[in-house]
Amino acid sequence: GQQLNQSPQSMFIQEGEDVSMNCTSSSIFNTWLWYKQDPGEGPVLLIALYKAGELTSNGRLTAQFGITRKDSFLNISASIPSDVGIYFCAGQLTTAGNKLTFGGGTRVLVKP
Amino acid sequence: DAGVTQSPTHLIKTRGQQVTLRCSPKSGHDTVSWYQQALGQGPQFIFQYYEEEERQRGNFPDRFSGHQFPNYSSELNVNALLLGDSALYLCASSAGLEDNEQFFGPGTRLTVL
Repeated sequence: GQQLNQSPQSMFIQEGEDVSMNCTSSSIFNTWLWYKQDPGEGPVLLIALYKAGELTSNGRLTAQFGITRKDSFLNISASIPSDVGIYFCAGQLTTAGNKLTFGGGTRVLVKP
Repeated sequence: DAGVTQSPTHLIKTRGQQVTLRCSPKSGHDTVSWYQQALGQGPQFIFQYYEEEERQRGNFPDRFSGHQFPNYSSELNVNALLLGDSALYLCASSAGLEDNEQFFGPGTRLTVL
């Protein structure tokens, strides 16, 4: 079946830093979504991407839909403490319904 | 604008018991999907309901079943609970089967002892 690999699995951020994470798949998707999940809560939709090569921003977040349709990237600029959480990528192959296939997540932590 | 709501928040059951979880979709949404999220992992798709019918199903055994009501709310039932069923169960709603964006509720934390 389809598998999504996210990297890094975890990262430490210092306030003001830019951070990047990515997601790769063994097969293609035609939609990519990025979610953030805080402890004890459900995932919150951050950005949706619909076209290969598309670059979309939402405030300090920028995401790209890879040209091969097998990957996606998320960047956070000028990180702040509330950026801490787990970021999940999710792929959709809408010719097969709109179920989401999730990666394992990237855990963003604050540098001590 | 009411978001996705789920009940109960937490639940503790013992092996072999049965459990029912409930979900009300976001206002204006008619499609409900259920996901299981084990600790430290990403959510896994269980199944999806639209027009009161199961439309898609993930790789979960028949012990997992569901229902959708005319008001679009949904239930997830799990029979013969196993220890491995302990997880956060998430409900997501969307505006139809072709709507890409799914919005999640806060989840129900199920612990099986």
